[in-house]
Amino acid sequence: AQKITQTQPGMFVQEKEAVTLDCTYDTSDQSYGLFWYKQPSSGEMIFLIYQGSYDEQNATEGRYSLNFQKARKSANLVISASQLGDSAMYFCAMREGGAGKSTFGDGTTLTVKP
Amino acid sequence: GAVVSQHPSRVICKSGTSVKIECRSLDFQATTMFWYRQFPKQSLMLMATSNEGSKATYEQGVEKDKFLINHASLTLSTLTVTSAHPEDSSFYICSARDFPVSNQPQHFGDGTRLSIL
Repeated sequence: AQKITQTQPGMFVQEKEAVTLDCTYDTSDQSYGLFWYKQPSSGEMIFLIYQGSYDEQNATEGRYSLNFQKARKSANLVISASQLGDSAMYFCAMREGGAGKSTFGDGTTLTVKP
Repeated sequence: GAVVSQHPSRVICKSGTSVKIECRSLDFQATTMFWYRQFPKQSLMLMATSNEGSKATYEQGVEKDKFLINHASLTLSTLTVTSAHPEDSSFYICSARDFPVSNQPQHFGDGTRLSIL
């Protein structure tokens, strides 16, 4: 079974509107971390936001927030007030326990329309 | 913030050439670095975990003799694609963490686009 599932290959959003990118995960570990990264067409990976499995509050970083629903094993990224520069590929990733490596989802390509 | 430098950013070379890609942590020590491969519009596939002073740990299906990894210092890991062929053409990206705390993200290099003719 896939550890990280992103069911939306592509998403469109109108500029200035909010958009939710879905991510579900599968793990038997009690301790894990969830990350979202942005990858523009230039290729670099940009860290956006982190949510720990023991964090009781949803993480927020500026226009980014993470809707963490632990029982459902989902960690959706919400981008508020979309900007044209938000057009990129977005990856959800999970790091289990103390392991260094992360598992990435297949990504969602977000296109912001003017 | 923590920065990872990856060089070169782009390589175009003939089939049969060996290509070395460097990954450096600029302002922190990285005992562990990771090498990923990414095909267009696809996810990052972990190839191997590079450990300073010891052998790299390769993921299943990754040829150790094809993708040589050396992590000789706390700030440098190299990936050498030996005798590269067109099917090795891809985007290769490295990452590192500056300390083993679970809430720290991986810091990525800017990637290397490898094109084998």
